[in-house]
Amino acid sequence: DAGVIQSPRHEVTEMGQEVTLRCKPISGHNSLFWYRQTMMRGLELLIYFNNNVPIDDSGMPEDRFSAKMPNASFSTLKIQPSEPRDSAVYFCASSPPGNGELFFGEGSRLTVL
Amino acid sequence: AQTVTQSQPEMSVQEAETVTLSCTYDTSESNYYLFWYKQPPSRQMILVIRQEAYKQQNATENRFSVNFQKAAKSFSLKISDSQLGDTAMYFCAFMKPGGSQGNLIFGKGTKLSVKP
Repeated sequence: DAGVIQSPRHEVTEMGQEVTLRCKPISGHNSLFWYRQTMMRGLELLIYFNNNVPIDDSGMPEDRFSAKMPNASFSTLKIQPSEPRDSAVYFCASSPPGNGELFFGEGSRLTVL
Repeated sequence: AQTVTQSQPEMSVQEAETVTLSCTYDTSESNYYLFWYKQPPSRQMILVIRQEAYKQQNATENRFSVNFQKAAKSFSLKISDSQLGDTAMYFCAFMKPGGSQGNLIFGKGTKLSVKP
């Protein structure tokens, strides 16, 4: 299995630009999670989906952040407009039914100048 | 709310020696899961070991074992025969089963360096 696939691995953009991060979960997994990792705040859950439906988005910092999961094999996290404080590594993870284990992607490192 | 505390920001150990990483957590739940994840320089988070709170037996995975003390809300990770490849950030994580499946709460992490 290819594992959780995220793209891009690195993104450098300027303040005010739109950023879209992509994730392909492991086939057969029914839950998908977006985490953000920074030195100051560690790993924070932004949002998670179960069977493509958003269950908890209380971690999404503000309206500039949005996430979608149009089907079981694809999700996006969008930031519009981006700000320097959004600079972080964004992880996508998926989990199979009935199993607490999360499988993480390699992360997308975002730098907003 | 649940919290996870890792009190050791950094640790180092000599190759082949044993090291223990500490983790404490706070919860009012009686049933939950605990995890240790490893994040090497490649950045990917890798599950090292998991423990179900209802199991009294400490989990073991090869050179990795835990000391789970439910009453003390302590969940330490022991790495035996440390190898250079064990150099990484280690995160302790808590998860309440049920509606928040997969909603892991992570500690701040411990940076482990294995020295030759």
